[in-house]
Amino acid sequence: QVQLQESGPGLVKPSQTLSLTCTVSGGFIRSGGYYWSWIRQHPGRGLEWIGYIYYSGSTYYNPSLKSRLTISVDTSKNQFSLKLNSVTAADTAIYYCARENEPMDAIDIWGQGTMVTVSS
Amino acid sequence: IQLTQSPSSLSASVGDTVTITCRASQGISRYLAWYQQKPGEAPKLLIYATSTLQSGVPSRFSGSGSGTDFTLTISSLQPEDFATYYCQHLNSYPGTFGGGTKVEIK
Repeated sequence: QVQLQESGPGLVKPSQTLSLTCTVSGGFIRSGGYYWSWIRQHPGRGLEWIGYIYYSGSTYYNPSLKSRLTISVDTSKNQFSLKLNSVTAADTAIYYCARENEPMDAIDIWGQGTMVTVSS
Repeated sequence: IQLTQSPSSLSASVGDTVTITCRASQGISRYLAWYQQKPGEAPKLLIYATSTLQSGVPSRFSGSGSGTDFTLTISSLQPEDFATYYCQHLNSYPGTFGGGTKVEIK
């Protein structure tokens, strides 16, 4: 079955760029019908939808993050990535990559999540 | 679109029936999903399109509603159901989540 795995630094300094990659196994990103997404969860808090990318490269970003956010896809590596610029302590969170299933209009597969701390 | 869940937490006993409400700030048709999250784990999809049970999810979970008001019902609560539950709409983007409802053991 399809599995997602996040990777990237667990510690980022303020004002720098947070970079994470999600590797998809058991299926292909270039399969249509799915939006490859990022969601984050601040410690002890609820879930925040960050954005998605389609295999074609089309994206949609949360307006609250849009000015700092880039999501990209590499279908040859079966990976998609997140870059968040100019981070502050408010960006400290667990970051999940996930698959939104278009026919379901729901997120049916989640990665295990990776904790990213913004601190000097 | 904002989603407001209530209650934010509740205490219940094994065997109880529990109902969680999710209210949208505007109509979202039936584009609502429910997730269960246990401590240290990623969320897990329970229900999509308001009332369709995800494969493998026990039938004691059910969802209903349309427009702006939705409910998740857990019948005959089991020990493994103690968790936090979130609703999410995908009627439009960003697909916001509700604030969560923590179901605790009484």
